[in-house]
Amino acid sequence: GENVEQHPSTLSVQEGDSAVIKCTYSDSASNYFPWYKQELGKRPQLIIDIRSNVGEKKDQRIAVTLNKTAKHFSLHITETQPEDSAVYFCAASNLDSSYKLIFGSGTRLLVRP
Amino acid sequence: ETGVTQTPRHLVMGMTNKKSLKCEQHLGHNAMYWYKQSAKKPLELMFVYNFKEQTENNSVPSRFSPECPNSSHLFLHLHTLQPEDSALYLCASSQGYRTSGTPGQFFGPGTRLTVL
Repeated sequence: GENVEQHPSTLSVQEGDSAVIKCTYSDSASNYFPWYKQELGKRPQLIIDIRSNVGEKKDQRIAVTLNKTAKHFSLHITETQPEDSAVYFCAASNLDSSYKLIFGSGTRLLVRP
Repeated sequence: ETGVTQTPRHLVMGMTNKKSLKCEQHLGHNAMYWYKQSAKKPLELMFVYNFKEQTENNSVPSRFSPECPNSSHLFLHLHTLQPEDSALYLCASSQGYRTSGTPGQFFGPGTRLTVL
């Protein structure tokens, strides 16, 4: 079945450094890839998404890249700040069949001040 | 933060109890979802409703029974639960499938369920 693998499971960086989280997906028909941030005790929130017709998308300090051939996509956070500390989830969906999202297992990011 | 609301926020129930979780969305969406979040499986899809029709049941045990009376409301009826069902239950909504809207899902705050 459809599967999304996410790495690393935990990531600790110094404030100001960059953080990269990687995901791979199994369904080659997937064409929509959102990223969610979940702070402790709060709901997951959509922070950025990308469709398969685009290779890269940027929004201030966060960017997502997509490699359709290799079936992997990555979240890049630059100039990390302590408030970036949270669990980040990637997801994949085939919008031509449904809006169902298959989530990765999450990455716990800690930004050390 | 008020686009998708869930009640109750916390629930403790015995294995023989019957309870219901409620979700309401104020975003004009037509698709709604139930997820289970636990340490074992961080975000596990349970059910999907698109324009009030159930389109996905991810092999969920029958002790969980969803109900979607309209596009703004979603319920999860619980009965004869097991301790391993203790988890955070999240509701989400999005534009309906095969509409022109963005497919992004927006989550409610969740119901923390403890089964004794």
